Amino acid sequence: SQQGEEDPQALSIQEGENATMNCSYKTSINNLQWYRQNSGRGLVHLILIRSNEREKHSGRLRVTLDTSKKSSSLLITASRAADTASYFCATDLVQGAQKLVFGQGTRLTINP
Amino acid sequence: KAGVTQTPRYLIKTRGQQVTLSCSPISGHRSVSWYQQTPGQGLQFLFEYFSETQRNKGNFPGRFSGRQFSNSRSEMNVSTLELGDSALYLCASSFTRDTIGNEQFFGPGTRLTVL
Repeated sequence: SQQGEEDPQALSIQEGENATMNCSYKTSINNLQWYRQNSGRGLVHLILIRSNEREKHSGRLRVTLDTSKKSSSLLITASRAADTASYFCATDLVQGAQKLVFGQGTRLTINP
Repeated sequence: KAGVTQTPRYLIKTRGQQVTLSCSPISGHRSVSWYQQTPGQGLQFLFEYFSETQRNKGNFPGRFSGRQFSNSRSEMNVSTLELGDSALYLCASSFTRDTIGNEQFFGPGTRLTVL
């Protein structure tokens, strides 16, 4: 079973708009990471937020983490066509082990 | 630095055959993890290797195995292939095993199709 659940499963917006994706998880985590995947290719790491952090920024990306609600959100501002991809949140449950548990992902489509 | 490389990129096999996939981590990285991605099950953890030892294993049958060599390169093997093994197999490497603030770098994957 998946630890993370992304919402929505699919999102379609116009270029220039902001895109928000949410991720919920079930058990305590050490950190939460967001990845992007283009058309069944490899995963690209976007941002990592630790369990003691509440918000993190990287360029046009903003990630929040609410450990009390066991949820995270990824905001992409001023979206571009190149942002079209699937976005996954991943949590690590076991410290000292390279084991990430992924959600099912959000398929983001940016329309020109 | 070169990224994580996986070979082959595409593979077609028939049921009952076996397959070996290869992963070369980023130079200096000692931890290698394998994941299976399917439309139905999503991304699932297979196993993790560090210093030539399997450190962690996901919930997969014994037909799935792997190993890591002294140069940190890793291989995974699937024996007696089933149709359901058709998937994208992703390899990820990182410098250490500690996941605190430690990013995993993924390769492009090997697309396995079982006929």
